[in-house]
Amino acid sequence: NAGVTQTPKFQVLKTGQSMTLQCAQDMNHNSMYWYRQDPGMGLRLIYYSASEGTTDKGEVPNGYNVSRLNKREFSLRLESAAPSQTSVYFCASSARGVATNEKLFFGSGTQLSVL
Amino acid sequence: RKEVEQDPGPFNVPEGATVAFNCTYSNSASQSFFWYRQDCRKEPKLLMSVYSSGNEDGRFTAQLNRASQYISLLIRDSKLSDSATYLCVVTAGTGGFKTIFGAGTRLFVKA
Repeated sequence: NAGVTQTPKFQVLKTGQSMTLQCAQDMNHNSMYWYRQDPGMGLRLIYYSASEGTTDKGEVPNGYNVSRLNKREFSLRLESAAPSQTSVYFCASSARGVATNEKLFFGSGTQLSVL
Repeated sequence: RKEVEQDPGPFNVPEGATVAFNCTYSNSASQSFFWYRQDCRKEPKLLMSVYSSGNEDGRFTAQLNRASQYISLLIRDSKLSDSATYLCVVTAGTGGFKTIFGAGTRLFVKA
């Protein structure tokens, strides 16, 4: 099993450009998440999808949009990239989305630089 | 104040050493606790869950003190391959979206 697959692995954008990060999981998980990781800070939740058909804002949603395309896929879109969005982005999934002991499974990350 | 705070690190230890990481959390309603490991430029991966009674997995021992809102990870007989960043992770309620990550503590194990 591939687990959680996200693309691309690296991307350089100019300020104002748009792009979509793709994520897919093959573990039949209900919940999916997008995080960003910046130096000296813990992973911060951007958006999540508790189940197919629903999406909600996390801690740092400004400047992002998401789409839960189906149970497997959850994409993150930057409509007008800004230098503050330079970061490493991780997609993750978890099985049920309602338990207290949810373990997260992560994709390999996307290194995004906005110039 | 951060919701989950960890030792700043980095920890530099020789092979075979015992090293301990500490973590505190601010939300007394937190329900689940984990340690994740993150290798350089890689994704975080679950190392172990932390239970109230304490738990052990080989060379790794995790402890939880709910009264003090404190979590620890002890690594015995450190290996070169243990070099990584260790993330303290707390779930504040039901659902994975309630998961809060500490900033991590870097460990370097030297030959």
